[in-house]
Amino acid sequence: DQQVKQNSPSLSVQEGRISILNCDYTNSMFDYFLWYKKYPAEGPTFLISISSIKDKNEDGRFTVFLNKSAKHLSLHIVPSQPGDSAVYFCAASALNSGTYKYIFGTGTRLKVLA
Amino acid sequence: SAVISQKPSRDICQRGTSLTIQCQVDSQVTMMFWYRQQPGQSLTLIATANQGSEATYESGFVIDKFPISRPNLTFSTLTVSNMSPEDSSIYLCSVEDLLRTGNTIYFGEGSWLTVV
Repeated sequence: DQQVKQNSPSLSVQEGRISILNCDYTNSMFDYFLWYKKYPAEGPTFLISISSIKDKNEDGRFTVFLNKSAKHLSLHIVPSQPGDSAVYFCAASALNSGTYKYIFGTGTRLKVLA
Repeated sequence: SAVISQKPSRDICQRGTSLTIQCQVDSQVTMMFWYRQQPGQSLTLIATANQGSEATYESGFVIDKFPISRPNLTFSTLTVSNMSPEDSSIYLCSVEDLLRTGNTIYFGEGSWLTVV
């Protein structure tokens, strides 16, 4: 049972345009959501997060939107740069037996074309 | 965020052997986790490493196959026992420090294991 889903395995975007990566979740107990970027041969790097009490969080070129009623979140990268080419994972967390547990989606490979 | 070091970074292992991966953090953290990423797959939580007590394993993972230690707040080990080619994967240590960085986990560089 995949609680966090990224239905697009890959995405190509022209440099300078907007990249939109999507993520859906099924568990209404999730109360915190995160995005990570992963380059080949490296561990995932934290990008941005959002609490379930908000619907938007912005950090520089990265904005995360949360639609709780639709159980959907998205990451917008504007403008996209070739260095953004990587695999992006969304993650959701919920309190479970006194500790937070983090569940990851399957990832979307973003390719930004110069 | 904390600096997380994993050893080994990469290894080729013989079928039937065991390998221990070490994770060292440069500061005390509240939580340490071990994840696995099989080729083309998502990051799957193996277990939560509990300081001074037995790890908490996720469904599908057992202590006999993946024994974990966490003797203090900065160090943990994961052993992959009796390896088979299906264990070829990236193994990732991650940490959470609620007091300093809130609900966020950070990852080490990963340990890339290939079982032949």
